[in-house]
Amino acid sequence: QKEVEQNSGPLSVPEGAIASLNCTYSDRGSQSFFWYRQYSGKSPELIMFIYSNGDKEDGRFTAQLNKASQYVSLLIRDSQPSDSATYLCATIKAAGNKLTFGGGTRVLVKP
Amino acid sequence: NAGVTQTPKFQVLKTGQSMTLQCAQDMNHNSMYWYRQDPGMGLRLIYYSASEGTTDKGEVPNGYNVSRLNKREFSLRLESAAPSQTSVYFCASSEFPSVAYEQFFGPGTRLTVL
Repeated sequence: QKEVEQNSGPLSVPEGAIASLNCTYSDRGSQSFFWYRQYSGKSPELIMFIYSNGDKEDGRFTAQLNKASQYVSLLIRDSQPSDSATYLCATIKAAGNKLTFGGGTRVLVKP
Repeated sequence: NAGVTQTPKFQVLKTGQSMTLQCAQDMNHNSMYWYRQDPGMGLRLIYYSASEGTTDKGEVPNGYNVSRLNKREFSLRLESAAPSQTSVYFCASSEFPSVAYEQFFGPGTRLTVL
């Protein structure tokens, strides 16, 4: 079992809809959680990070963390074709200095 | 500021050849990382350097060596390339310790080993 699991997709959503991405992790020592966006042929860029249970909102993006159930999710509201990309979930352990990435979820937003 | 730069952008090697991938950052970050990315595998850590003068193995270190030349530069060497090392290689840096632990990535090197 991989430490960080994501559905590879593709997740197809119509423009204007909500895209919901999920990520589960196996190590209960994981402290902080990150969502990176990666456009095809480009390098990853950080969208959000979260370390407390609950929701964290930033513009059209909301990250949700549930440490008891060991999952973190990302909601993209009002999805736009420019949101079409692969979204990578990553975790870091307490006192750690390296990220562990999931395999990524490919999102396709159709006009 | 250029951020994180990598050279070369593309490379084709024959099995058994050696090469060094170069990475430099101008953000005065302490930590630097080398990843490889294969389809459906996400990013897998090869080696990292938490601070100048230290290096540690990541998830997939076999077949690679690294050198933290100074605070700015972190190179990855393939001594005897194998087809299994065909991949996209990303270098990253971060300010550690940091609450956000945000890693900034370079543009990547696409390596093909024939």
